[in-house]
Amino acid sequence: GNSVTQMEGPVTLSEEAFLTINCTYTATGYPSLFWYVQYPGEGLQLLLKATKADDKGSNKGFEATYRKETTSFHLEKGSVQVSDSAVYFCALSDSGGYQKVTFGIGTKLQVIP
Amino acid sequence: NAGVTQTPKFQVLKTGQSMTLQCAQDMNHEYMSWYRQDPGMGLRLIHYSVGAGITDQGEVPNGYNVSRSTTEDFPLRLLSAAPSQTSVYFCASSYSSAGIGSPLHFGNGTRLTVT
Repeated sequence: GNSVTQMEGPVTLSEEAFLTINCTYTATGYPSLFWYVQYPGEGLQLLLKATKADDKGSNKGFEATYRKETTSFHLEKGSVQVSDSAVYFCALSDSGGYQKVTFGIGTKLQVIP
Repeated sequence: NAGVTQTPKFQVLKTGQSMTLQCAQDMNHEYMSWYRQDPGMGLRLIHYSVGAGITDQGEVPNGYNVSRSTTEDFPLRLLSAAPSQTSVYFCASSYSSAGIGSPLHFGNGTRLTVT
């Protein structure tokens, strides 16, 4: 079946540091890939997405590139802010028919001033 | 612009009690789903629906029932609560198959404790 692997963390960074959160996946066909963010006490919200190989999703300074050859979708940001502190979920939805989204376990990011 | 609304926000049940978690969306989304979020396990799909009158099981359906009588509402029923059902529950919806890149829209969750 489908699966998504990401580190649980927590990841602790100083403000303005570079962020990478690794995400690898296993799926049949050509999945769509997503990063969702969850702020404390809230539901998940879409951060960015990519629907085919070599696509780059970007939003709010975050980027991720769909790498089919390495089955990866790593999240990056050049300079994190305290307001980026949240839990980040990598997710996939595979192709063909009506799909169920598979989530990773979520990576908690804490940014300190 | 309400989006996905879940009620209640918090609930405490005793073992064996039943209850219904409410979910409503005002975006005319065909697809609705219920997830539970547990530490170290991410989100796991309980049940989902692709339209009014159509429901199906997800990864962890045991102990839960759903129905979809309207496009807007998708309640989740706990038949006989157990401590293992202590979790945070999220309802989510989307326009159509997420396989074509349609993202999920989430409610703010219901935190359930079963004692």
